[in-house]
Amino acid sequence: ILNVEQSPQSLHVQEGDSTNFTCSFPSSNFYALHWYRWETAKSPEALFVMTLNGDEKKKGRISATLNTKEGYSYLYIKGSQPEDSATYLCALNTGGFKTIFGAGTRLFVKA
Amino acid sequence: SAVISQKPSRDICQRGTSLTIQCQVDSQVTMMFWYRQQPGQSLTLIATANQGSEATYESGFVIDKFPISRPNLTFSTLTVSNMSPEDSSIYLCSVSNPTDASGANVLTFGAGSRLTVL
Repeated sequence: ILNVEQSPQSLHVQEGDSTNFTCSFPSSNFYALHWYRWETAKSPEALFVMTLNGDEKKKGRISATLNTKEGYSYLYIKGSQPEDSATYLCALNTGGFKTIFGAGTRLFVKA
Repeated sequence: SAVISQKPSRDICQRGTSLTIQCQVDSQVTMMFWYRQQPGQSLTLIATANQGSEATYESGFVIDKFPISRPNLTFSTLTVSNMSPEDSSIYLCSVSNPTDASGANVLTFGAGSRLTVL
């Protein structure tokens, strides 16, 4: 069974700090890796989809990288803002409609 | 991407009762997915709801505990039956993004139903 690990479980930063967190997985046998952002009382929203080793994606101050050979993905947030406070979920699509989620990293950004 | 309306957003339930969660999608979709997130745990797929056939349940989930209806291509319900405190979770419905051509199964979610069972 593919296991998706995310670290840290939670993170507290000050406004303006840059931060990053990790998604790790034991195998490169997957179709795509997804990052979602889940704000309290809202729907999880897809941030990035990555499929190839070395993929890098960027959206504003948020970026992500993928290393399938060593089994990890990093999510970076530059200059954190209070509105970045959310749970960030990593998920692997193993083909078809099967998606396996990590437990998430909960980010708190203090103004 | 699709827009999903899910209700209730939250509820407090008594042990032994059942609660039905509803999801309405603004477009027709073949499959809808029901997930659960227990406190501190990962989002876990409960079942896939197909229109016109019985839902497909993942290991550890059974129809008697989580009956699902899918009467048409835009609507589904999940019932949590005979609830116990262990059922306290966030339940989410989702669909694959119909505009996603990559085949990577990017999901669109409802806002979730937070259930607390006393």
